[in-house]
Amino acid sequence: AQKVTQAQTEISVVEKEDVTLDCVYETRDTTYYLFWYKQPPSGELVFLIRRNSFDEQNEISGRYSWNFQKSTSSFNFTITASQVVDSAVYFCALVNDMRFGAGTRLTVKP
Amino acid sequence: NAGVMQNPRHLVRRRGQEARLRCSPMKGHSHVYWYRQLPEEGLKFMVYLQKENIIDESGMPKERFSAEFPKEGPSILRIQQVVRGDSAAYFCASSLEEGAYEQYFGPGTRLTVT
Repeated sequence: AQKVTQAQTEISVVEKEDVTLDCVYETRDTTYYLFWYKQPPSGELVFLIRRNSFDEQNEISGRYSWNFQKSTSSFNFTITASQVVDSAVYFCALVNDMRFGAGTRLTVKP
Repeated sequence: NAGVMQNPRHLVRRRGQEARLRCSPMKGHSHVYWYRQLPEEGLKFMVYLQKENIIDESGMPKERFSAEFPKEGPSILRIQQVVRGDSAAYFCASSLEEGAYEQYFGPGTRLTVT
């Protein structure tokens, strides 16, 4: 079965802490694509990153980094030195069949 | 370059009425996806369309829901005889190609059924 699991329903940190959001997926496809989206309190969905199954290099974009591990079927997302503006719900998605995880609500307190 | 547009942003319907949600994809995008987000829940895929074709409607309820993406004009998600359980945010996304390409989301339509 194709499935995306975000086990952390809610995470609360204090500003400047690092935080990692977990994403574990299941798929029978050998070629697949994983995305992360951010949904701030305003409600829109913001694309963050796309990763294909052939590229296991970790990626860093400013304070954001992603760790893709095929061996454990995980695609975790780390925010370094979190800020209040990072407060949002973050969704991991397996694009092959448009399956989204349930989301992790991150609250960053000042 | 306008993003994905959805209207209305908020829609209130009484039980039994029809709801029509519209989505205009990004310029140049011919692939449209509809998702539903129930309160405090994640996104659930509903339907994937290309111009004049429904490609995948595996997430669409069998009754009362339909979608189209005509040759001209926006994609329409239609919900007939709405019930309270249809209250949700409905998001439309578009992509340049199918599969690997990132989907760009519209702002969503928040449907409230009273």
